[in-house]
Amino acid sequence: GDSVTQMEGPVTLSEEAFLTINCTYTATGYPSLFWYVQYPGEGLQLLLKATKADDKGSNKGFEATYRKETTSFHLEKGSVQVSDSAVYFCALSDQNTGFQKLVFGTGTRLLVSP
Amino acid sequence: DAMVIQNPRYQVTQFGKPVTLSCSQTLNHNVMYWYQQKSSQAPKLLFHYYDKDFNNEADTPDNFQSRRPNTSFCFLDIRSPGLGDAAMYLCATSPEPGRSNQPQHFGDGTRLSIL
Repeated sequence: GDSVTQMEGPVTLSEEAFLTINCTYTATGYPSLFWYVQYPGEGLQLLLKATKADDKGSNKGFEATYRKETTSFHLEKGSVQVSDSAVYFCALSDQNTGFQKLVFGTGTRLLVSP
Repeated sequence: DAMVIQNPRYQVTQFGKPVTLSCSQTLNHNVMYWYQQKSSQAPKLLFHYYDKDFNNEADTPDNFQSRRPNTSFCFLDIRSPGLGDAAMYLCATSPEPGRSNQPQHFGDGTRLSIL
């Protein structure tokens, strides 16, 4: 079945450091790929998405590129802030399932210190 | 702002005492989902509704039921909560099935504690 693998956390960075959170996927069809962010005590918010190979999703300084050849969708940000501390989930949605079933990775906690 | 609203944010119930969690949406989306998220884990889909059609995940326990009286509201009923059901419950919506490039919109969740 479809699956998503994320790097284990927590990822601990100082403010203004460069961020990479790795995400790879396995899917039988042609999935859409998403990054969701979850702040403490809150639900999930869509951070960015990409729907086909070579698409780049971007939002709030974060970006990720859909790489079909490496089945990856790594999240990057050039300069993190304390307010970026949260849990980040990579997810896919396969077009062949007939409805939008999200398959999530296990999440990566990011801690940014001043 | 159009949104997904879950009530209450925190719910405490006793072991074995039925509990209902509610979700409402102003997005007019056809599909509503319920997820269970345990501490430090990814959300796990329990079931979803497409309009009035109910779709249960194969591994969702019978203890969990759902109702959708109209487009805007959806309820999660836990008939006899056990200690293992303590979790965050997330409601989400999406416009329609078969459009996997459309993101789901999540509420802030209800954190359920079992005494």
